Amino acid sequence: QSTLTQPASVSGSPGQSITFSCTGTSSDIGLYDFVSWYQQHPDKAPTLIIFDVTHRPSGVSARFSGAKSANTASLTISGLRPEDEGTYYCSSFSTGNTMLFGGGTKLTVL
Amino acid sequence: QGRLAESGGGVVQPGRSLRLSCVASGFTFSQYGLHWVRQAPGRGLEWVATISYDGNTRVYGDFGTGRFSVSRVKSGSTLYLEMNSLRPDDTATYFCAKDQRKFVTGENNGLDVWGQGTTVTVSS
Repeated sequence: QSTLTQPASVSGSPGQSITFSCTGTSSDIGLYDFVSWYQQHPDKAPTLIIFDVTHRPSGVSARFSGAKSANTASLTISGLRPEDEGTYYCSSFSTGNTMLFGGGTKLTVL
Repeated sequence: QGRLAESGGGVVQPGRSLRLSCVASGFTFSQYGLHWVRQAPGRGLEWVATISYDGNTRVYGDFGTGRFSVSRVKSGSTLYLEMNSLRPDDTATYFCAKDQRKFVTGENNGLDVWGQGTTVTVSS
């Protein structure tokens, strides 16, 4: 199994909107609407922020939104805040009942 | 929503075995699929294994097939990961995590509860 492709880092200023990309294949992101996004702060467990491509768990800010086109998923954070700083991972269900993660994108809020 | 607590990590020599445990609380254990995800030092998340809510489906990442075995015991609400023939590149923090939705097989709707992780170091 391979990993999903994410840029290593991205940065933005408070108040800005920022979008993360996650590229897979026709066997994972392109085949299933089971894309999730996780936020991880240093030395902490990941937390779920988006599931099923576009859905937010209860308690997750509406500033987080997800989308998908073909083999690429995206996460957008609007109104960037300092506490959004961390690493963001995409994940997709894949053929054979397997799961893939992206390599993670580290967000720096300037 | 629930809580998960891993244990069993430690330092182990290459080629040896180790069993990790994950005790669940605060949700009906038998209704949710469970997963192991690992993170090597300074690296990203890597899916290790999944076991369905009923234990009938067990799936592994390529690196774990033939070496790792996932199981669950309803009494005690415990998930296990038996790891054999350990290699230095198995060094990582191992997290257990729970499916967000009940009775899910053949899809994945996100992992909504994660443990704090247990660290495995494979070194001579």
